[in-house]
Amino acid sequence: GQQVMQIPQYQHVQEGEDFTTYCNSSTTLSNIQWYKQRPGGHPVFLIQLVKSGEVKKQKRLTFQFGEAKKNSSLHITATQTTDVGTYFCAGVYNFNKFYFGSGTKLNVKP
Amino acid sequence: DAEITQSPRHKITETGRQVTLACHQTWNHNNMFWYRQDLGHGLRLIHYSYGVQDTNKGEVSDGYSVSRSNTEDLPLTLESAASSQTSVYFCASSDRRDYGYTFGSGTRLTVV
Repeated sequence: GQQVMQIPQYQHVQEGEDFTTYCNSSTTLSNIQWYKQRPGGHPVFLIQLVKSGEVKKQKRLTFQFGEAKKNSSLHITATQTTDVGTYFCAGVYNFNKFYFGSGTKLNVKP
Repeated sequence: DAEITQSPRHKITETGRQVTLACHQTWNHNNMFWYRQDLGHGLRLIHYSYGVQDTNKGEVSDGYSVSRSNTEDLPLTLESAASSQTSVYFCASSDRRDYGYTFGSGTRLTVV
C-alpha cells in the first residue's frame, strides 16, 4: 500500500551543525508537504513541493523533491536552538490522499 | 483572524464513557480531518470530511464517529472510551484536498 518512510527517527546535533531528514515513497507522489511541530505544540505547515526536481528555500531551510517524485528532503543549515522540534513530511497521492511520515525529532545542543 | 479551535485542551474520562471532542474552524474550509498522535506512530487519520453531510473513515476509525452538519464544525465522538484511545487528538482543515493543512492546538485525552 501507499506509505511514506521518513528517516532518521531522531537526530541530535550541536548548534551550528547541519541537519537533514529524508522521506521516501514506493509510488509516485502528486506532491509532498513538510510540517514542523514544536515540543508540546501542533504541526505547522511549512511548504509544499509539486514539480519534479523542485527546490525551495526558506532562510536556512532547503526543501527538495526528487526527479521521480518519490523522495524528498529537508536540510537545515547551521541549526539553531529554535529549530528544535519534530519535522514531518506528508506525501500526497492522487491529489487527495495524505500519508504522514513518522517524523524526525531534532534536538539541538547549545 | 480565521482560526481553528479545539476543545477541551485536556480531558480525563473513564473507560466506557462517551466522549465528544469539538473542532471549530472559521477558515470556511470544506475539508476537515481528525488525527491522533501517539509516540512511535506519528499522525494517524481517524475520520475526514470533504463537506457538509460528507464523512469518511480513515485508517484508525474503529470506536470513533464524526458528523458534519455545517462547514465550521466536525465533532469527534468516542462511543465507549477505552484506555487504548488515550492520545493527543488533532483536528485539521484545508481549502484544497491536496494542499497544506491548518492544525488545531490539540486535545490531550486520558482514559482511565
